[in-house]
Formats: sequence, structure tokens, C-alpha cells
Amino acid sequence: QVQLQESGPGLVKPSQTLSLTCTVSGGSISSGGYYWSWIRQHPGKGLEWIGYIYYSGSTYYNPSLKSRVTISVDTSKNQFSLKLSSVTAADTAVYYCAREIAVAGNPPLIFFDYWGQGTLVTVSS
Amino acid sequence: QSVLTQPPSVSAAPGQKVTISCSGSSSNIGNNYVSWYQQLPGTAPKLLIYDNNKRPSGIPDRFSGSKSGTSATLGITGLQTGDEADYYCGTWDSSLSADVVFGGGTKLTVL
Repeated sequence: QVQLQESGPGLVKPSQTLSLTCTVSGGSISSGGYYWSWIRQHPGKGLEWIGYIYYSGSTYYNPSLKSRVTISVDTSKNQFSLKLSSVTAADTAVYYCAREIAVAGNPPLIFFDYWGQGTLVTVSS
Repeated sequence: QSVLTQPPSVSAAPGQKVTISCSGSSSNIGNNYVSWYQQLPGTAPKLLIYDNNKRPSGIPDRFSGSKSGTSATLGITGLQTGDEADYYCGTWDSSLSADVVFGGGTKLTVL
């Protein structure tokens, strides 16, 4: 059974960089075949996909966040990470890491089958 | 404002059936596969349906999905109090700003 666990500071100051790590257990990121994503949920709101990384290091980001987002992977630790720069109060949200199934095709088949429990990040001075 | 439109809330009595709609456009639902997620209070979303109508292992057949044109529907039969949750639809949007998009969520109340 694959499990994901987010970790990182729960409080970040405005203009600083939000940094979170997702530790994967029960499966290896290096085995390939899956994408590793970050998704956030603003308080009382819906879901917003942030982006994904493949074990090789290739990434794809939500165009609306692309200028501020960096997702990286450390296969030796079976972890992947999120950095979101220049944060404001609008970035206050619960951040989830998730395993993404993305099967190439026309159309592509994309869904998220395993999720972490989520971690609340508050942006405030 | 979510790209996909869902009703904010639906309700039904235990044992009854309910449907939750998800409306989009040709750049998302109309030409891509839809997935559905259940979020119980205080927990992470859980995959219910993928590829429009397929259930992952362990999801009871009380849950079903369908798609027609630019809309998708989640159906739940034999409602139980434990089904009270928020439900989200999601899909790929192949417009210029290609990315994964979700609906705003529907709160299901089992009366």
C-alpha cells in the first residue's frame, strides 16, 4: 500500500518561500510509471493542481503558478519537494502530495490514486 | 472560480439515490476523461471514479460515473450516513493553459 506524508513549516512569512517535502513509502518513486504531484486546497474551497514531477526530474506546472513553483525529487530518499516563492496570504491552504496516474493518449488518462493527509500552510507575518 | 461547475450541495435520505453533476466545456470534460473524489470531513480526497466510469479496487458499486458531452455525473445509490462528504470532479483541460482542473466541490448531506 503506497503512503504519502507531507512535512514542512506550517507558518511562512509573506514574500518568503514555502517549502514542503513529501515522503513516499510502500513504493519506489524510481520505479517509474507514475507522476508525483502537489495539489492545494484553500480554506473552505476546491482543489487546485500545482504541478508534477517524474522520477527522471521532468516537471510540469500549473501555468498560473509556474513562475513561482519548483518541484524537485530525491530518489535516494524516496521524496519529492515543493517550493513556492514570493508567497502571499492567498497561498494559505492545505497542501497535499499525491500520486498521479498519467497515461499518454488522445486524450490522456489522468487521475490521482493516492494522497497524503495534507498539511496546512498559513502565510502570515 | 473553478473551471468545472458543480452544485454547492445536494441532499437525500438514507437508502435513496443521489446524483452530482459536473459541467465543463469541450476543452476539458468534452474531450478528456473524468475522475471523481470523495473528501470526508477533515481528511484527504479519495479516488472514487476514474476514466469516466471505472471504480478502483475497494470502491463499492453503489458509486458510479458517467459522461455525456461536456458534463459528467456521479451517482450514489443506497445512501449511507457515512457518505456525507464533499465530492469533486476532475479532468485534464487541453486549452492553451493546459493543466488539471477540478470542480468547486459538492457537499452531500444524508438527511
